[in-house]
Order: sequence, then C-alpha cells, then structure tokens
Amino acid sequence: NAGVTQTPKFQVLKTGQSMTLQCAQDMNHNSMYWYRQDPGMGLRLIYYSASEGTTDKGEVPNGYNVSRLNKREFSLRLESAAPSQTSVYFCASSEDRGRADTQYFGPGTRLTVL
Amino acid sequence: GNSVTQMEGPVTLSEEAFLTINCTYTATGYPSLFWYVQYPGEGLQLLLKATKADDKGSNKGFEATYRKETTSFHLEKGSVQVSDSAVYFCALRRGNQGGKLIFGQGTELSVKP
Repeated sequence: NAGVTQTPKFQVLKTGQSMTLQCAQDMNHNSMYWYRQDPGMGLRLIYYSASEGTTDKGEVPNGYNVSRLNKREFSLRLESAAPSQTSVYFCASSEDRGRADTQYFGPGTRLTVL
Repeated sequence: GNSVTQMEGPVTLSEEAFLTINCTYTATGYPSLFWYVQYPGEGLQLLLKATKADDKGSNKGFEATYRKETTSFHLEKGSVQVSDSAVYFCALRRGNQGGKLIFGQGTELSVKP
C-alpha cells in the first residue's frame, strides 16, 4: 500500500499563475482533506470531502477550489496564486467511522509563490 | 469556538530526559483528542489518541491522559531518544463535525545525544 500520495513535492509559481495539487489514496477511505501548514499556526483545514461527489469548506477556503474526482482522488486548485498562499500543503484521508477515526497524511507539497 | 493550545517550542532535551508537552483545549461537548508527530521532511502520523474522559492513550513509550476537569491532554515520555526529535501536534475532533481535526500550533522537540 502506498497510502496517501501527493504530487508535486515542490513547486514555485509566479503571482497570478494557476496550478493543481494532486492527491490520491489507496485505502478505500471515504473522507479526504486538504490542509495548509504555516510556521507557528499548525495545520488549517482548507477543504474536505466526506464522500465521493461532496465537498465542503474548511477554515481557510478563500483562493482555492477542490474536486473529488472519484473515491481515490482529491485535487486542490489555485486559480490565481498569491504570495500569501506560500505554504506546505498536506492531503489526508480517513474512514470517518467515529470518534477514534485516524487521519493518514501524505508527504506534503511545498509551494512557493513569488 | 473550538481551539487547541500547545506549549511554545522549541523544546531541547538531552537523551534519556523526561518529556512533557502541554496541550489544553476549548470545545463544547466531548471531543476526541489526538497527538500527531511530524518527522523532518515527512507528513503527520498518528502517535496516540483518547476518545473519552480519563482515557489514556499510549504508543512508543509516549502517554497522554484525557483530563476533562482541566481540559488537557499533555504528552509525556519517561526517557526520550534522539530519534524522537520531531514536531508534535495536539488535535481535537468534535463528534458532530465529521472527521475534521483542529490542530494546535505544534511543538518542536530536539533531543541531543
């Protein structure tokens, strides 16, 4: 099992450029999540998907869009990148079966917006 | 609203020292509580969890007890190793908000030989 995979690992964009971060999981999980990690702020939820075909905003959704393409894949799109979106992005998945549910994280994408 | 507060880092210890990383939370109801660990250059992985008051989570020599009276979930280890150097995140999950986690800001631990 590969678990949760993310591509690319690193990316540098110029302000105004667009890009899509890809995420896939092979654990047959229902729920998937996108977080951003900034120094001193922990992880903050951008968007999540409780099941295929559904998505919901998290704490910091502005400037992002998501697509739950199928049960395995959950992509995050930046339509017009801004320097404030420089961050490390993590995708996660879980079965979401109750209080003890464990989230499994990918290795992250380090994005720099110039 | 719901929130998690951790002690500021970085924390620097010598090998075999005792570790405590404080975590307190604010939430209505009865959240589940988690500790995740992030090793350098990697994603987060679950270290331990507790789902109700007085539960003790444990793994790899780490322990944390869910204390509802003090709204705390402090992480402890009796004897740290260099390989424990990482960033530790405390998190909570509200029962009625799906799988969403709320994270603390993280505490960096550095263990010196």
